[in-house]
Parts: sequence; C-alpha cells; structure tokens
Amino acid sequence: EDQVTQSPEALRLQEGESSSLNCSYTVSGLRGLFWYRQDPGKGPEFLFTLYSAGEEKEKERLKATLTKKESFLHITAPKPEDSATYLCAVQAERGGADGLTFGKGTHLIIQP
Amino acid sequence: GAGVSQSPRYKVAKRGQDVALRCDPISGHVSLFWYQQALGQGPEFLTYFQNEAQLDKSGLPSDRFFAERPEGSVSTLKIQRTQQEDSAVYLCASSTWTSGGRETQYFGPGTRLLVL
Repeated sequence: EDQVTQSPEALRLQEGESSSLNCSYTVSGLRGLFWYRQDPGKGPEFLFTLYSAGEEKEKERLKATLTKKESFLHITAPKPEDSATYLCAVQAERGGADGLTFGKGTHLIIQP
Repeated sequence: GAGVSQSPRYKVAKRGQDVALRCDPISGHVSLFWYQQALGQGPEFLTYFQNEAQLDKSGLPSDRFFAERPEGSVSTLKIQRTQQEDSAVYLCASSTWTSGGRETQYFGPGTRLLVL
C-alpha cells in the first residue's frame, strides 16, 4: 500500500526565515511525486512534479528536491503570502493506481 | 483558459437524503478523478475515469457512492442515503493522458457537503 508522511504537521516562521518541509513516501514504483499548495476553502493548486531521484525544481521562493525515500520543499525568505497548507502526493507506475496518494499536509504560517 | 469547475460549492443535506455533485473538467482533458477530503486531512482517492470509462473505483467507501461520466466530459458523483460521516469536501481533478504517464492533475474548488 502506498503511503505518504509529511512533517512537521504545522510550522510557524517569521518572514524571511527559511526552512524545509519533509515528505517521506513508500510506493510500488514511483511514477511521480507532486507538491500542491492549498489555501483555506480552495482546491489544491499545483506547484511541482518530480519524477526521479536527484531531480530538483524551483519556482520563486520554493525549491523541491527528491530522493528515493523522501522529498523536501525548501522555502527561502518566505513572505506572509506563502502561508498555506502544502500537500505532497505520489502516483504509482502506469498499470498501478492512477489516483494520487496524499499526505496530511504541512500547515505553514509566515508571520510578518 | 477555464479551470475545473464544481457545483454546488456548498450542500447541506439531511441524513438519508440523496445528493448529486457535478464536475466540469478542463476542456479536452481525458482523465477525471474524484477525491474526498475530511477536515484537517489530505485528499483521498475515490474513483477515476478515462473518457467515459470508469477504470478504478477502488476508493469508493460504500455502495452508496456512485459516479458517472456518460459522455466523457462532465461527471457526477452521487451519494445515496447520506450519513453524517459523508460530511467532507469532495474534490474533482482532471488531466490529459499521455503514453509516458506524465500528467498533472488540476483540481477544482471542491464541494463542501454537510450532512445533518
């Protein structure tokens, strides 16, 4: 059974204070690992997809990395508008489950 | 272009009522997914369509849940004889389909269902 564990559950940072969110996973053959951002009352908003160990992707203050067992979402010099819940999800290889298996998310608060 | 849309955005039902939730995917997207998100939890997979074919319904929690996509576009998730434990946000997502399997699922805003 595919599993995703995210830590910490919640994180409070000061504006400008960099940090990392962790996503540990087990999957029967990884097709892709996804990061989404979810604001209260809204659907998840796509951020990144990573496909193989060693891959990295960046977007503004966010950088996602992937190893064979975990992924990190690094947030550099965050701003209050980065406050949200960040969700990690995995998708198994084609022929397995096409649906995503999500973690519970990390609730991030950036204080001005 | 337009994203995934869902209606209604909010639904209050009395226990035992039937409800129908609608999803309009991004135009041209072959794949459509339904997820259930309980408060404070990540989304959980319910079912998957490729065009009009329902290829995976392993996540549907009981036979009270039924989904259809008769013309390969709009989809409806129906819940019969609603129970209080059905209260959750129901999310719809759509994606293209490629032989390489590298597709991104784009989510709608969700329907928040409250069963009293």
